[in-house]
Amino acid sequence: NAGVTQTPKFRILKIGQSMTLQCAQDMNHNYMYWYRQDPGMGLKLIYYSVGAGITDKGEVPNGYNVSRSTTEDFPLRLELAAPSQTSVYFCASSNPQGSGSEAFFGQGTRLTVV
Amino acid sequence: AQSVAQPEDQVNVAEGNPLTVKCTYSVSGNPYLFWYVQYPNRGLQFLLKYITGDNLVKGSYGFEAEFNKSQTSFHLKKPSALVSDSALYFCAVRDVWQAGTALIFGKGTTLSVSS
Repeated sequence: NAGVTQTPKFRILKIGQSMTLQCAQDMNHNYMYWYRQDPGMGLKLIYYSVGAGITDKGEVPNGYNVSRSTTEDFPLRLELAAPSQTSVYFCASSNPQGSGSEAFFGQGTRLTVV
Repeated sequence: AQSVAQPEDQVNVAEGNPLTVKCTYSVSGNPYLFWYVQYPNRGLQFLLKYITGDNLVKGSYGFEAEFNKSQTSFHLKKPSALVSDSALYFCAVRDVWQAGTALIFGKGTTLSVSS
């Protein structure tokens, strides 16, 4: 059981470049999330999805876009990368049945924008 | 708004001693509280959660947490620390007022266990 899989693990981008962070889960979870982690700041929610075709903004959505064409995949797109987007990105999923369900996290993507 | 606070950036304990990592919360309605651990260059691993019922919750790796409604706290505890417990610990609350019911995280506490 792979759980939540993120690719790539590491990436260096130049300012102004674009890229897509991939996230896939095999637990048939409807709810999926993207967070960014910055030192001393905890995790901040970028975008979330409650099912295929449904996405919404989180706390820090500027500079990012998402799509959810299938239950399994939830890619995060960075357009015109900026140094402020240097961070570690985590994808997560959870079972929507009840607020007591924990979220399962991928291993993260460490992105550096230079 | 839902929020959690972890008042300590770092906690240092000696191996074999009990450890406590503090968390306080602010929620509207019933709290759904979680603890996660992050080892270097890894994702977050679920440790335990409080939904309802007993105030003392037991979780993975010998950890437990005590829910205290009057003090709005959910402190993580372990009777005897191991060097391998050294990691970054996050407290989180579920935002039941948001459509995605995402977890809201504290800033994290680094636990350092010395041998």
